[in-house]
Amino acid sequence: QVQLVQSGAEMKKPGSSVKVSCRASGGTFAHYGITWVRQAPGQGLEWLGGIVPMYGMTDYAQKFQGRLTFTADESTATAYMELTRLESGDTAVYYCATFPPSLDWYFHLWGRGSLVTVSS
Amino acid sequence: EIVMTQSPVTLSVSPGATATLSCRASQSVSTNLAWYQQKPGQAPTLLIFGASTRATGIPGRFSGSGSGTEFTLTISSLQYEDFAVYFCQQYNNLPPVSFGQGTKLEIK
Repeated sequence: QVQLVQSGAEMKKPGSSVKVSCRASGGTFAHYGITWVRQAPGQGLEWLGGIVPMYGMTDYAQKFQGRLTFTADESTATAYMELTRLESGDTAVYYCATFPPSLDWYFHLWGRGSLVTVSS
Repeated sequence: EIVMTQSPVTLSVSPGATATLSCRASQSVSTNLAWYQQKPGQAPTLLIFGASTRATGIPGRFSGSGSGTEFTLTISSLQYEDFAVYFCQQYNNLPPVSFGQGTKLEIK
């Protein structure tokens, strides 16, 4: 059964960048899309956007345009999220999740999350 | 952007009873609505998609209904493991996907 394995916690300075990985263990995501969702401490879920490697398609929440980049390496079944110009408000747990090949954006398999802390 | 509003913010219900959670969209999302459960320190788990279709492995005591702008998640015969936070999410008009702010289901 496929599991999404995310990279570990990161501590970053304001103004720097972070790159979080999400690997499909036990399978591939060749026929799925991968979305990224974050959750600030004690807060709700915020959608960042997603990537559909099969179609080479990406979609970004407007709030993050210009700061956020999604990539995917199908040979290693790994997706990446890079967020630049970090600020304290970016402190959150970042989740990757898959959505089905029908491109209905509901998220049926989630990684365990990667904590990113931004602090000087 | 479609705004999703959940009510109540907190719901106190006794084990064995039925919980009814509501989610309202600021404009129609047809039946493109999902529900998730999140327990402390864990990632969300998909419960319902298409407003009423249970995800794989989800017990039958979880049911979803509604269309357009009004949706309901009903959890019958509440088990202790059901006490958690529940989020609704629309995927009809995107970007962006949007989530509700969550309903915390607590033990009464």
